[in-house]
Amino acid sequence: EVQLVESGGALVQPGGSLRLSCVASGFIFSSYSMNWVRQAPGKGLEWVSYISTSSGTIYYADSVKGRFIISRDNAKKSLHLQMNSLRAEDTAVYYCARYYDILTGSLGDAFDIWGQGTMVAVSS
Amino acid sequence: DVVMTQSPRSLPVNLGQPASISCTSSQSLVYSDGNTYLNWFQQRPGQPPRRLIYKVSNRDSGVPDRFSGSGSGTDFTLKISRVEAEDVGVYYCMQGTHWPPWTFGQGTKVEIK
Repeated sequence: EVQLVESGGALVQPGGSLRLSCVASGFIFSSYSMNWVRQAPGKGLEWVSYISTSSGTIYYADSVKGRFIISRDNAKKSLHLQMNSLRAEDTAVYYCARYYDILTGSLGDAFDIWGQGTMVAVSS
Repeated sequence: DVVMTQSPRSLPVNLGQPASISCTSSQSLVYSDGNTYLNWFQQRPGQPPRRLIYKVSNRDSGVPDRFSGSGSGTDFTLKISRVEAEDVGVYYCMQGTHWPPWTFGQGTKVEIK
């Protein structure tokens, strides 16, 4: 079964740091670019960050640029989001989402699989 | 950045009746390869988003055929031919043509009257 499982969410104080993880199973992780998408309580979806298969291309939303760092470990089939200088407005459920298989897929396959999400709350 | 605008924001529907959600983009979503990368997602209460439709009108595996997508350029529509109780949730459109960033509509909440 194709699956993404996030972990690492917690309650953290403003200015603090947190590292989220997403572990993949059921597909060839190293062939897929990956994304983080977040959803503040009661709000809509906001794309956060993208990383290519080899980590050679990385993008961030302006709202997190300079504070968050996306990374991946293909050997461990895992995706990470290092979140620094956290603010109250970073409070959200964070989802990892699969992009597409660079070898056999296309843009039309993007965002087809999502994890269950992990909750990050930033509050004093 | 491409702005995605959905309407209505709330959609009360009787069971068995049709529902229609509109999504408009601030610029054409036709990609350089000729395809239009417009997705629709369903988010049931307490669940992660689930992709229903990709490239405007293609249903994902397991999606009931009462869901259909249409449109072109900057105007798109998601239709539910006969709403069922399990269709309650929030629906989002998302563009995958002009990135980064990938952008979503604000969401449309479908509820049963």
